[in-house]
Amino acid sequence: DVKVTQSSRYLVKRTGEKVFLECVQDMDHENMFWYRQDPGLGLRLIYFSYDVKMKEKGDIPEGYSVSREKKERFSLILESASTNQTSMYLCASSTPWGNSNQPQHFGDGTRLSIL
Amino acid sequence: AQKITQTQPGMFVQEKEAVTLDCTYDTSDPSYGLFWYKQPSSGEMIFLIYQGSYDQQNATEGRYSLNFQKARKSANLVISASQLGDSAMYFCARVGPNQGGKLIFGQGTELSVKP
Repeated sequence: DVKVTQSSRYLVKRTGEKVFLECVQDMDHENMFWYRQDPGLGLRLIYFSYDVKMKEKGDIPEGYSVSREKKERFSLILESASTNQTSMYLCASSTPWGNSNQPQHFGDGTRLSIL
Repeated sequence: AQKITQTQPGMFVQEKEAVTLDCTYDTSDPSYGLFWYKQPSSGEMIFLIYQGSYDQQNATEGRYSLNFQKARKSANLVISASQLGDSAMYFCARVGPNQGGKLIFGQGTELSVKP
């Protein structure tokens, strides 16, 4: 079974802190993704990576950065946490889509609260 | 922006009955894929079913089927014989070529199954 592991299920941080969310996958997937989920808005893509050291901005990258030094690990960094970054964060991985059933596999999510 | 629209924020269904969750999408790509995910209250995203734009038949997976109407750009999820464990958020998502495998998600539908 594909396993995507996020380092924390719940996290509480303070405004201005630098926050690291870690994600590891064990299926040798090329693509990795970070989403943010808020009620009524669905999942919104923050950043994604299709190879080691490669990254591309998603729809809402402001206030975030990412790091992918190894294929299996994709880190999301909140440079200076703010209260409007309180949210559910989901990591996912997949093979490149090729017109076939290749779903993204998700971690269990991290509920982050910024006080 | 190419959107996914789920017009039903919340739905109720009686146990053992069938229910249809609506999804419409906007795309100019001839080749694309459509996914449905289930998210229970625990937060994990569970892949349910996939439909490719060139697939000749509507996708089915156990109690899940997809009513794919390409001309109308709709991909409604049908759940037959609803069970209490089907109570969850359901998300429709689309992927297209040359997009790095990115998924675009709808806002979600919260399904509640009544005993």
